[in-house]
Amino acid sequence: AQSVTQLGSHVSVSEGALVLLRCNYSSSVPPYLFWYVQYPNQGLQLLLKYTSAATLVKGINGFEAEFKKSETSFHLTKPSAHMSDAAEYFCAVHENQGGKLIFGQGTELSVKP
Amino acid sequence: NAGVTQTPKFRILKIGQSMTLQCTQDMNHNYMYWYRQDPGMGLKLIYYSVGAGITDKGEVPNGYNVSRSTTEDFPLRLELAAPSQTSVYFCASTRRDRQNYEQYFGPGTRLTVT
Repeated sequence: AQSVTQLGSHVSVSEGALVLLRCNYSSSVPPYLFWYVQYPNQGLQLLLKYTSAATLVKGINGFEAEFKKSETSFHLTKPSAHMSDAAEYFCAVHENQGGKLIFGQGTELSVKP
Repeated sequence: NAGVTQTPKFRILKIGQSMTLQCTQDMNHNYMYWYRQDPGMGLKLIYYSVGAGITDKGEVPNGYNVSRSTTEDFPLRLELAAPSQTSVYFCASTRRDRQNYEQYFGPGTRLTVT
């Protein structure tokens, strides 16, 4: 069965600093992977997705993620944090049966001025 | 398109009461899902549906029921509400074709059971 682990429930960076949010997955088949963002009191919005094409995936708001099969990782990065990036971020892996997504526990990103 | 809409946005229930959380999507998606979100726990799947008339249990189905009589609607029923059902509930949908696995989420319903 697929699973997702996000390392660090809370990450704090300064404005302009690199953002790195870690995600490791477990899957017995080639995975489809997603990053979602949740702003306070809102639903989840897709940031980017990996569907077995290019290993470096670019998403919205300047975020990108790299799929590394050897490390079973799909870490999310952004070169320069902005105050508006403060939110909770979820990594998810697609499970074939029923088209379900298995979510990690989430990482809350804080951005300091 | 309105996307995925959920009602109500907020609700307070007393222990033992029942209620239905409404979810509607206007994207002609065949798959629909109900999740609950608890702090530090991510999202847990309650029930899902692969089409009208077909539903199946997810990871945490106890205390909930669903139905899918139309493509657009996927209501979640809570019977005999318990404090453990205090959570934020999200409905999602996807088209599920040509390797499109992206799910679209509604804004959520915040439920408190006291």
